[in-house]
Amino acid sequence: NAGVTQTPKFQVLKTGQSMTLQCAQDMNHEYMSWYRQDPGMGLRLIHYSVGAGITDQGEVPNGYNVSRSTTEDFPLRLLSAAPSQTSVYFCASSTVAGAYTDTQYFGPGTRLTVL
Amino acid sequence: AQKITQTQPGMFVQEKEAVTLDCTYDTSDPSYGLFWYKQPSSGEMIFLIYQGSYDQQNATEGRYSLNFQKARKSANLVISASQLGDSAMYFCAMTLRGQGGKLIFGQGTELSVKP
Repeated sequence: NAGVTQTPKFQVLKTGQSMTLQCAQDMNHEYMSWYRQDPGMGLRLIHYSVGAGITDQGEVPNGYNVSRSTTEDFPLRLLSAAPSQTSVYFCASSTVAGAYTDTQYFGPGTRLTVL
Repeated sequence: AQKITQTQPGMFVQEKEAVTLDCTYDTSDPSYGLFWYKQPSSGEMIFLIYQGSYDQQNATEGRYSLNFQKARKSANLVISASQLGDSAMYFCAMTLRGQGGKLIFGQGTELSVKP
């Protein structure tokens, strides 16, 4: 199993551009989520999904869209990039949707810079 | 408010010695999970250990153990026999029942292992 994969690893955008960060997992996990990590801070939840066709907002959802058409994929879309979205983005997945006892496994991250 | 506090921004330990990384949590919910993740300089988030709020015994995973003191609301990570490869950022995180699997992270502790 490849686990959780993310592409691209690095991206530079100009203010106002849009893009999609890709996330895929091959573990048949129900639950997938997106976090952002800003310098000197822990991760904060952007959006999450408890299964195909079901998504919900996390702590910092503004400026981001998600959809989940398959179990495997959970892309994160930046609608109009802003410098405040410069961050490292992590995708994570776990077996059981929303179970507080379930371990989430993270992808390698995407480092995004918005100029 | 639900919160994770890691009061040690940085720590040093001599190789082969044990080290304790502090973590306190704040929640009034009786059902929660506590996690530790390691983030090396390469940037990925690596799951280390999990403790459930109803677990009677402290969790252990190889050289990692979690010193769970429920009354004090602390979940300290103990690394025995430190190795140079243990140098990294360490994050404590919490999940709560009914919150969609959201991980609440502390700000992290940077551990440096000296040869």
